[in-house]
Amino acid sequence: QVQLVQSGAEVKKPGASVKVSCKASGYTFTSYGISWVRQAPGQGLEWMGWISAYNGNTNYAQKLQGRVTMTTDTSTSTAYMELRSLRSDDTAVYYCARVSGVLLPFDYWGQGTLVTVSS
Amino acid sequence: EIVMTQSPATLSVSPGERATLSCRASQSVSSNLAWYQQKPGQAPRLLIYGASTRATGIPARFSGSGSGTEFTLTISSLQSEDFAVYYCQQYNNWPPLFTFGPGTKVDIK
Repeated sequence: QVQLVQSGAEVKKPGASVKVSCKASGYTFTSYGISWVRQAPGQGLEWMGWISAYNGNTNYAQKLQGRVTMTTDTSTSTAYMELRSLRSDDTAVYYCARVSGVLLPFDYWGQGTLVTVSS
Repeated sequence: EIVMTQSPATLSVSPGERATLSCRASQSVSSNLAWYQQKPGQAPRLLIYGASTRATGIPARFSGSGSGTEFTLTISSLQSEDFAVYYCQQYNNWPPLFTFGPGTKVDIK
């Protein structure tokens, strides 16, 4: 069965960086893309970006351009999202999600990783 | 950039009643529209894609309709487990770029 298992909660200081991992299993990793979505406390869903696990191509939300980097390690079927220059408003639950195909939505989600930014 | 709006923000419904949720796109997204359900403390779950196709395992009481800029999610007879927040999402771009609506909370009347 398809599973996306994310790394554990993080607490970071303003200005620091965080790197969240998302380990995939139950399918051929390189056949699908991965998107990252975040949700601030009590707020809605915000799409952060997409990475092709096939060739590493990326597309980031304009708002996060320059602060976010998404990568994959095909040897371990793991996707990573790094966010730099953290601010308090980056406090959120971060989700990875499998993109089910070309012009298709997200069919499987990770369990979420809480990132807290606080001095 | 495509902006998604949803109405109402909150919908109060009694169990067994019908719920109708609306989603609007600022420009046409064809039928590239999905609906997700999210319960507190859980990741979202895909309900509908292609505007009207139920995802695997989704009960028939959930149905979607619309195309272009206007979309509707209907829950024909609300069950206790359906009280949640519902988000629409457009995915009409390549390279992939996704936009979520702000959500509609369905709560118990």
